[in-house]
Amino acid sequence: AQSVTQLDSQVPVFEEAPVELRCNYSSSVSVYLFWYVQYPNQGLQLLLKYLSGSTLVKGINGFEAEFNKSQTSFHLRKPSVHISDTAEYFCAVNWDTGRRALTFGSGTRLQVQP
Amino acid sequence: DTAVSQTPKYLVTQMGNDKSIKCEQNLGHDTMYWYKQDSKKFLKIMFSYNNKELIINETVPNRFSPKSPDKAHLNLHINSLELGDSAVYFCASSQWRTIGETQYFGPGTRLLVL
Repeated sequence: AQSVTQLDSQVPVFEEAPVELRCNYSSSVSVYLFWYVQYPNQGLQLLLKYLSGSTLVKGINGFEAEFNKSQTSFHLRKPSVHISDTAEYFCAVNWDTGRRALTFGSGTRLQVQP
Repeated sequence: DTAVSQTPKYLVTQMGNDKSIKCEQNLGHDTMYWYKQDSKKFLKIMFSYNNKELIINETVPNRFSPKSPDKAHLNLHINSLELGDSAVYFCASSQWRTIGETQYFGPGTRLLVL
């Protein structure tokens, strides 16, 4: 079965430190990869996505992610976090099977401390 | 000028009641979705409609019945509510043309069944 794994349920980090949120997925066909952010009591907002081309994708709010086909990973990074980045981050995958629904990872809670 | 809107935002009701959640998008998209986020923040697809036609129907109890009166609206009716239905329900929309199209999410409807 196709799956998305976010190994870290919580990542505490100090303000201005770098952060990496990990995402791995199962792969038997081509994939389309997304990172969404959910602020408390809000909906999901797209941070970035990978469809094809350059494996390094830049998104909003200074985030970027790297697609690694051999490792079946799509880790999210930010070189310097702010308090306002405290939120839940979801990795999501659409496998190229014609099915349009996203399959989400279990989420990573990024807690930025002063 | 909200892109995807949902009503109500909060819903508190008794077990056994019937309730509806409404979703509207003004993005001109032709595909709409319902996702459920449980108490552990896990997000899972429930239904998807393309041009008013049901295309995804996950293993959801028959008590849940989606309806799409037109491409811009997708409603969710729930009969005989149970405690386990307590969750946040998100509506989303996208264009059908390619699998990698971004899904835009509404703010969510927080349902609490007592």
